[in-house]
Amino acid sequence: GAGVSQSPRYKVAKRGQDVALRCDPISGHVSLFWYQQALGQGPEFLTYFQNEAQLDKSGLPSDRFFAERPEGSVSTLKIQRTQQEDSAVYLCASSLSVHLSGNTIYFGEGSWLTVV
Amino acid sequence: QKEVEQDPGPLSVPEGAIVSLNCTYSNSAFQYFMWYRQYSRKGPELLMYTYSSGNKEDGRFTAQVDKSSKYISLFIRDSQPSDSATYLCAMTAKGGANNLFFGTGTRLTVIP
Repeated sequence: GAGVSQSPRYKVAKRGQDVALRCDPISGHVSLFWYQQALGQGPEFLTYFQNEAQLDKSGLPSDRFFAERPEGSVSTLKIQRTQQEDSAVYLCASSLSVHLSGNTIYFGEGSWLTVV
Repeated sequence: QKEVEQDPGPLSVPEGAIVSLNCTYSNSAFQYFMWYRQYSRKGPELLMYTYSSGNKEDGRFTAQVDKSSKYISLFIRDSQPSDSATYLCAMTAKGGANNLFFGTGTRLTVIP
């Protein structure tokens, strides 16, 4: 596809349920990022992949959050035992490089997670 | 204190008005500055990118960075209803998207 594709667009999970959010980046983009955007807030960095290597996971809020990109293309963000505070939009972004100078990161439309 | 502060608005202006959006920050190491536009239920899209201090103009948009005051601005001239969106400032010290800090966003409505 032409842009970053995310699925599901909307997910309602019961507290304690596990969820998996998928990101299909722009073809050829080696860098992939996950951000979390709470209601009325700006996005906050979660984790970063270069190809299949997870080079930075400093933003993951707890060990309930896990991300993978096994073949260097599609990525999955998994949240175990969801809590109400996990309710947010999860944005995936991709780019040719991690460096922003002369480079643009492209965001998907996000996966809207509501934990009830 | 947050790294980046941005007035969330909302801000409503008549069509054709000049809009001024601003952010302040606390980390003097920030040197890459961006403005993103986010339409409702969409992802952010890059509007302007500036390195260090100075001005940058692109069509109706002008970005200004004043590192001495730790203050950045985005000006929109001849605002259009299609400019109605949330505007997010973002910045980073090392230029990497893995250490990008966003403001909370300012919601703008341009009234026809």
